Amino acid sequence: GNSVTQMEGPVTLSEEAFLTINCTYTATGYPSLFWYVQYPGEGLQLLLKATKADDKGSNKGFEATYRKETTSFHLEKGSVQVSDSAVYFCALSAPAPNSGAGSYQLTFGKGTKLSVIP
Amino acid sequence: KAGVTQTPRYLIKTRGQQVTLSCSPISGHRSVSWYQQTPGQGLQFLFEYFSETQRNKGNFPGRFSGRQFSNSRSEMNVSTLELGDSALYLCASSLDTGQGPETQYFGPGTRLLVL
Repeated sequence: GNSVTQMEGPVTLSEEAFLTINCTYTATGYPSLFWYVQYPGEGLQLLLKATKADDKGSNKGFEATYRKETTSFHLEKGSVQVSDSAVYFCALSAPAPNSGAGSYQLTFGKGTKLSVIP
Repeated sequence: KAGVTQTPRYLIKTRGQQVTLSCSPISGHRSVSWYQQTPGQGLQFLFEYFSETQRNKGNFPGRFSGRQFSNSRSEMNVSTLELGDSALYLCASSLDTGQGPETQYFGPGTRLLVL
């Protein structure tokens, strides 16, 4: 089946430090890949996405490149801020097994809690 | 355009009771999915609805059910609540044009506490 593995943390960084959160996946076919962010007490917000190999998703200074050869989608940011403190989830969307046509299911990693200190 | 809304935001129930959660998708979105989030199990897929039909179902007992209405709004129901059902329940909607996997947009969630 499909699966996503990401570093679980927690990760604590000083402001302006470089961030990398590793994410690798296992899937049949060609999934779309996502990073979602969850702030305390809130739902998930889409951070960025990539739909095919070598695509780079970017948003708010965060970047991730869809690497099919290494089945990875690592999240990076050059200079983190205190406001980036949150839980980050890597996810893939692929056809749902044994389901109706056109159904796609998100599979999530376990999340990485990031704390940025001033 | 308004985002995904979920009601209620917080709920406290006792074991054995049943509960209904509501989700209104983004206008124009036709697919609604539900997820359960717990500290131990993380984010787990419950089910997906499209055109008032359940199109996909995760590995949860039959106590968990849902439905979708003609305006794409969705409800999920949990009967005979157990302590382990305490979780954040998230609803997500997507446009679903049939052109492949699409972005799912999440609501703020309903936090259920079972005592």
